[in-house]
Amino acid sequence: DAGVTQSPTHLIKTRGQQVTLRCSPKSGHDTVSWYQQALGQGPQFIFQYYEEEERQRGNFPDRFSGHQYPNYSSELNVNALLLGDSALYLCASSFRDRQTQYFGPGTRLLVL
Amino acid sequence: DQQVKQNSPSLSVQEGRISILNCDYTNSMFDYFLWYKKYPAEGPTFLISISSIKDKNEDGRFTVFLNKSAKHLSLHIVPSQPGDSAVYFCAATTTGLFNDMRFGAGTRLTVKP
Repeated sequence: DAGVTQSPTHLIKTRGQQVTLRCSPKSGHDTVSWYQQALGQGPQFIFQYYEEEERQRGNFPDRFSGHQYPNYSSELNVNALLLGDSALYLCASSFRDRQTQYFGPGTRLLVL
Repeated sequence: DQQVKQNSPSLSVQEGRISILNCDYTNSMFDYFLWYKKYPAEGPTFLISISSIKDKNEDGRFTVFLNKSAKHLSLHIVPSQPGDSAVYFCAATTTGLFNDMRFGAGTRLTVKP
């Protein structure tokens, strides 16, 4: 039973660039949520996708956007990168209205 | 707006003793609570959860207690083992289809042999 997978594991970008992070949910899950975890903090909710639509969004600017494909995999896109976007980006999957979300290993983004 | 707080950034206990990790929340709409464990270079791993209709949930060495009136929950690990050393996050959410989780800042648990 494959768990949540994310790619790439690490990424280095410069300010102003754009980045795309990818996530495949746990087998049988149809809902994908994205979180940003800065150093020393807990994960912060970015947005959630279900049925290929963004259903809920946290307090993040429009530079953060996403997509969900028919196979439930998802992408997180961040435009015009800022130094403050450096963080661990976590993808979590769940099934419909089940509250428990399962996390992937994360993508560590460094913006220089 | 920190709706979930873990006021102890770190905790150190001796192997075999009890570890108690605490968490407070402010939003009375939260009705489902979870604990995650995180090792370095890995994503958070789901540990145990509790619904607001209960005040205790047990799974092996791990027990979560919920005090709704105090808006407080705690995770008890008995007996603690060195492999339990990790960062523990408390999370809260509301029942429903589109349920984002709010996390505390985490508590780093160190279990000494």
